[in-house]
Amino acid sequence: QQQVKQSPQSLIVQKGGISIINCAYENTAFDYFPWYQQFPGKGPALLIAIRPDVSEKKEGRFTISFNKSAKQFSLHIMDSQPGDSATYFCAPTLRGSARQLTFGSGTQLTVLP
Amino acid sequence: DGGITQSPKYLFRKEGQNVTLSCEQNLNHDAMYWYRQDPGQGLRLIYYSQIVNDFQKGDIAEGYSVSREKKESFPLTVTSAQKNPTAFYLCASSIGTDYGYTFGSGTRLTVV
Repeated sequence: QQQVKQSPQSLIVQKGGISIINCAYENTAFDYFPWYQQFPGKGPALLIAIRPDVSEKKEGRFTISFNKSAKQFSLHIMDSQPGDSATYFCAPTLRGSARQLTFGSGTQLTVLP
Repeated sequence: DGGITQSPKYLFRKEGQNVTLSCEQNLNHDAMYWYRQDPGQGLRLIYYSQIVNDFQKGDIAEGYSVSREKKESFPLTVTSAQKNPTAFYLCASSIGTDYGYTFGSGTRLTVV
């Protein structure tokens, strides 16, 4: 089974600060790199995703940085808000594979007011 | 609104009993999935189905069974053979293998 390592396990950030979550993977065949956001008692929701032909993608306050040679990608949350407090999962994917997602273990983000 | 509906939200089961979790989608998605989530852990794949009347085991299928008689529905049965069934169960669907997933809101199963 492909291995995905996500860090840190938990993160506490002050309001307005930058939150950074990292994901390292082993399978070089992965070709789609999403981050999911999950609030307590809810299912995960796709937050942002990147394909390997670009090194960075920005959507509002959320940015994915992708380092193909290091087999890592990270999620940056700028100007973090208390409403961003949730668990974040990376889920590198092999498109065309029926099994698809391999989830990281999750990062619990707490943004203090 | 299109989406995935899981029911019930909370479910209590006595040891030795089978229980079925419902998952219905009106997104016209071909693929459906069942995941289990335990505290502090990521999601683990139980079963998945790409088309009607066909499904495959995931990483932790022992003690679970599924059916896919309709495109819209993918119920999961937790059998008495599942040794540690207390968990949060998530159903998901995707339009194909090249796209992200849409998740339901989950069912929290507790064995009492």
